[in-house]
Amino acid sequence: GAVVSQHPSRVICKSGTSVKIECRSLDFQATTMFWYRQFPKKSLMLMATSNEGSKATYEQGVEKDKFLINHASLTLSTLTVTSAHPEDSSFYICSARDGRNTEAFFGQGTRLTVV
Amino acid sequence: DAKTTQPPSMDCAEGRAANLPCNHSTISGNEYVYWYRQIHSQGPQYIIHGLKNNETNEMASLIITEDRKSSTLILPHATLRDTAVYYCIVRVEGSARQLTFGSGTQLTVLP
Repeated sequence: GAVVSQHPSRVICKSGTSVKIECRSLDFQATTMFWYRQFPKKSLMLMATSNEGSKATYEQGVEKDKFLINHASLTLSTLTVTSAHPEDSSFYICSARDGRNTEAFFGQGTRLTVV
Repeated sequence: DAKTTQPPSMDCAEGRAANLPCNHSTISGNEYVYWYRQIHSQGPQYIIHGLKNNETNEMASLIITEDRKSSTLILPHATLRDTAVYYCIVRVEGSARQLTFGSGTQLTVLP
């Protein structure tokens, strides 16, 4: 299947700093990428939908100024957690769709810990 | 997308078949049944999907009832590495919308 690479896999940052997470589709072009957030023992919750060349669409309750999403190319989307706080600590996962296939492909996830 | 119901947890002995059920009684005629799994601290992994016929691939088999209101994912010879949360998702094939994850079933394969 298609490969989606997410980086970094783990990051620890200080409260108040910003963290950027990258999501790359390695062998296909992804016009749409999705960003999910997952708390311990909970299911994945969609944060936003990222479309190449346009503004992301955020789910209700997700602060767009705090979670900045950029999808500048067909193979790269980034999520920046700005002014991170301990409550932002979570597992962040990206997903990308290959227009030729019906299934979605997921990155490995990023474990963010804000101290 | 139609809602699905899965048992929260199941155990299976290593080497035996793992049968994971899913109820989707409100499924529409053009909605497919998808299965994904998530091993701890990893992103979800696609397993299989189907519309109404039974499907099989190298990972698993998918059995969908004739009325399409429920399905079963079968891992024929479960290994310890199959321990994961398994998600059953119903959606229109080719839809550009995001996947909506329910609670899933935590499958624990026991040695």
